[in-house]
Amino acid sequence: AQSVTQLGSHVSVSEGALVLLRCNYSSSVPPYLFWYVQYPNQGLQLLLKYTSAATLVKGINGFEAEFKKSETSFHLTKPSAHMSDAAEYFCAVSVTGGGNKLTFGTGTQLKVEL
Amino acid sequence: EPEVTQTPSHQVTQMGQEVILRCVPISNHLYFYWYRQILGQKVEFLVSFYNNEISEKSEIFDDQFSVERPDGSNFTLKIRSTKLEDSAMYFCASSERDTGTGAFFGQGTRLTVV
Repeated sequence: AQSVTQLGSHVSVSEGALVLLRCNYSSSVPPYLFWYVQYPNQGLQLLLKYTSAATLVKGINGFEAEFKKSETSFHLTKPSAHMSDAAEYFCAVSVTGGGNKLTFGTGTQLKVEL
Repeated sequence: EPEVTQTPSHQVTQMGQEVILRCVPISNHLYFYWYRQILGQKVEFLVSFYNNEISEKSEIFDDQFSVERPDGSNFTLKIRSTKLEDSAMYFCASSERDTGTGAFFGQGTRLTVV
């Protein structure tokens, strides 16, 4: 079965600083990987996805993630944090033949400080 | 932009009562899902639905749960006899294909069982 691990349940950065949210996956078959964002009292919004094309994936709001098979990682980055980025971020995995059933990580709460 | 809509946004029910959570998936999507998120925990897969039948369900999705697509637009989750531990945020999601695309989520229904 596939799984994801998100290191750091809470991350705090200064406005303008680099955002790095970590995600490692486990899968016995090639995975599809996703990052979702959840703003307070809202649903899950798809930020970006890796589906075996380019390993560097660009998403909305200036976020990007790089798939590194050797490290089984799919970390989310943004060069310069903005106050509006404060939210909870979830990494998720699905696999070929597994439908679009998503297995989520525990989430990382991003706080952006002035 | 097309979106998944869920009603109601909040529901309070007494233990043992039946509840129906409603969802309108994105119109050209064929695959539908329910997930739940108990407060402070990860988002968990409940069930996937395609071509008017369940394609996969998790261990959580026991006989107390059922799903239905009663017409061409709605997708419902019924909990027959609610328990306190059913209190959670329930998310409906839909996708165009059955693999590799991720899913688009609704805003969620917060169910509180008292």
